[in-house]
Amino acid sequence: DGGITQSPKYLFRKEGQNVTLSCEQNLNHDAMYWYRQDPGQGLRLIYYSQIVNDFQKGDIAEGYSVSREKKESFPLTVTSAQKNPTAFYLCASSSKPGGYNQPQHFGDGTRLSIL
Amino acid sequence: QKEVEQNSGPLSVPEGAIASLNCTYSDRGSQSFFWYRQYSGKSPELIMFIYSNGDKEDGRFTAQLNKASQYVSLLIRDSQPSDSATYLCAATTGGFKTIFGAGTRLFVKA
Repeated sequence: DGGITQSPKYLFRKEGQNVTLSCEQNLNHDAMYWYRQDPGQGLRLIYYSQIVNDFQKGDIAEGYSVSREKKESFPLTVTSAQKNPTAFYLCASSSKPGGYNQPQHFGDGTRLSIL
Repeated sequence: QKEVEQNSGPLSVPEGAIASLNCTYSDRGSQSFFWYRQYSGKSPELIMFIYSNGDKEDGRFTAQLNKASQYVSLLIRDSQPSDSATYLCAATTGGFKTIFGAGTRLFVKA
């Protein structure tokens, strides 16, 4: 079945450590996104990518980095510069046929906590 | 700053009633509008999407769009306890970037 796979499901970060969250999709979607969700809050955009080897900062990019070397993959690194990384991280993808944006499909998320 | 605004709720309705969820958006250039349902601890799942003014129905769900008023709504008929969740409204302008509202919590009482 087509879909988006995020791993790991739970992740713990030690102070000063960089951690990488994996996101893979087999939907052949051009666009991929990373969101952060804090308890009781909506989704805030961290980074997004429309095509391979290109990505743009979202609203809260500081302390995060991404790469898009393959169409299927869009990993997110939470660096030590991100002082409050505890949150639920969601990866999504979408295509854009016909001139209108199509809905975003979400992975199951990664829950990141500080040790 | 482009925004999507929702009443955070909670909105409480009895089982079998109609639940009405509302959303406004600030960017007049927004073209595509989406409603997602999110259960606690889970990722959002798509309920409805709408591009044109008017109503769009799918089963118990109806999405309504009024671009002149910059207003989107979701009606859930015959509400069930399993509909209890947070409903996220989202709007996209031209490109790939989508703005999400903070969500409305819905409780359906059995």
